[in-house]
Amino acid sequence: DTAVSQTPKYLVTQMGNDKSIKCEQNLGHDTMYWYKQDSKKFLKIMFSYNNKELIINETVPNRFSPKSPDKAHLNLHINSLELGDSAVYFCASSGQGRKLFFGSGTQLSVL
Amino acid sequence: AQSVSQHNHHVILSEAASLELGCNYSYGGTVNLFWYVQYPGQHLQLLLKYFSGDPLVKGIKGFEAEFIKSKFSFNLRKPSVQWSDTAEYFCAVNIVGGADGLTFGKGTHLIIQP
Repeated sequence: DTAVSQTPKYLVTQMGNDKSIKCEQNLGHDTMYWYKQDSKKFLKIMFSYNNKELIINETVPNRFSPKSPDKAHLNLHINSLELGDSAVYFCASSGQGRKLFFGSGTQLSVL
Repeated sequence: AQSVSQHNHHVILSEAASLELGCNYSYGGTVNLFWYVQYPGQHLQLLLKYFSGDPLVKGIKGFEAEFIKSKFSFNLRKPSVQWSDTAEYFCAVNIVGGADGLTFGKGTHLIIQP
């Protein structure tokens, strides 16, 4: 069973569209995250949720809105997509030990 | 699909000991390689990376890693660890010319005893 799963794996869309990336973890973790991989392959934290509450919100455009319907899910919704949003987005979760478990990534391409 | 193996899930060392954490990947083509560190209660940070050139790369905080292509390895080393090196260490691989995403190993939990 996949511990942290995110869908879709690939997402190709036009500028201006609204899209969502879903993430689910079956590890019983309390904390979930979204990371963005930049053009140099470096990961940067975007959001962190603990028990459905936002605890970290780094400097990202407000077109990005995380939604956590329950503590096993943290979806990323992006409005009015721009070319610069093209990147790979990683979901992750952690329990009390804080070790991160990563999803396999979603490659977003905005045309 | 490529995979990344970190053979040691937990490592316990005393201060001043030398450290080597193993990382092997399964892909025969050209790769970019990374080591990330997650200190307790903090987010992921990049320790060092290899894209091309000198296979011995130096990172922050005295860490280095050596890319050995024939062994598909990118082991992380530090000659003398400190208590503050206690953290989770992740190896990651990206295929050059392939999909953009990183593939992570499962991480190694390093505990340094004073």
